[in-house]
Amino acid sequence: SQELEQSPQSLIVQEGKNLTINCTSSKTLYGLYWYKQKYGEGLIFLMMLQKGGEEKSHEKITAKLDEKKQQSSLHITASQPSHAGIYLCGAATNSGNTPLVFGKGTRLSVIA
Amino acid sequence: GAGVSQSPSNKVTEKGKDVELRCDPISGHTALYWYRQSLGQGLEFLIYFQGNSAPDKSGLPSDRFSAERTGGSVSTLTIQRTQQEDSAVYLCASSYTGGRNQPQHFGDGTRLSIL
Repeated sequence: SQELEQSPQSLIVQEGKNLTINCTSSKTLYGLYWYKQKYGEGLIFLMMLQKGGEEKSHEKITAKLDEKKQQSSLHITASQPSHAGIYLCGAATNSGNTPLVFGKGTRLSVIA
Repeated sequence: GAGVSQSPSNKVTEKGKDVELRCDPISGHTALYWYRQSLGQGLEFLIYFQGNSAPDKSGLPSDRFSAERTGGSVSTLTIQRTQQEDSAVYLCASSYTGGRNQPQHFGDGTRLSIL
């Protein structure tokens, strides 16, 4: 079965600093999804990457997909307290209709 | 509604009781998923409905778990004879077509505690 490994497991950064979260798959990626979760809430969809080399940005968050390495990265520029939360990557396990497999998450804290 | 709605938001029950969790997907979404999130386990898939097709039940952990989706909209996840290990947050998600090019949108979950 496919597994997603996220690193680091947790991260504490000072406000204004940049940071990167990685997600590595044990198998071929058919689509990679990034979500953010705050305690007691559901997952908020951030971005979806479908093709190797694809890069998407939303506000200060950029995600890239390296299909050959079966890896995706999420980069936050000039972090703010509002970026704090748990970031989860999810992957489609095949090319058709499919539920997602998720990593265990990266807990991000941003301190003033 | 605008988003995926789940109820109740919290449920505390005694071991051995049955519980029903409800999910109201985004209007027009044909695919509906149930996941479970527990400490140390992360998010795990339970069951998936796509239109009128037979559901994919491959993630259900035991025969105490069942789900149905009536009229292609609202879904109910039922856990019979609850055990303490069933304590978790149960999340529902929906997507427009279920294809991998359609993101899944999640509700806020039901936090289930078994005493």
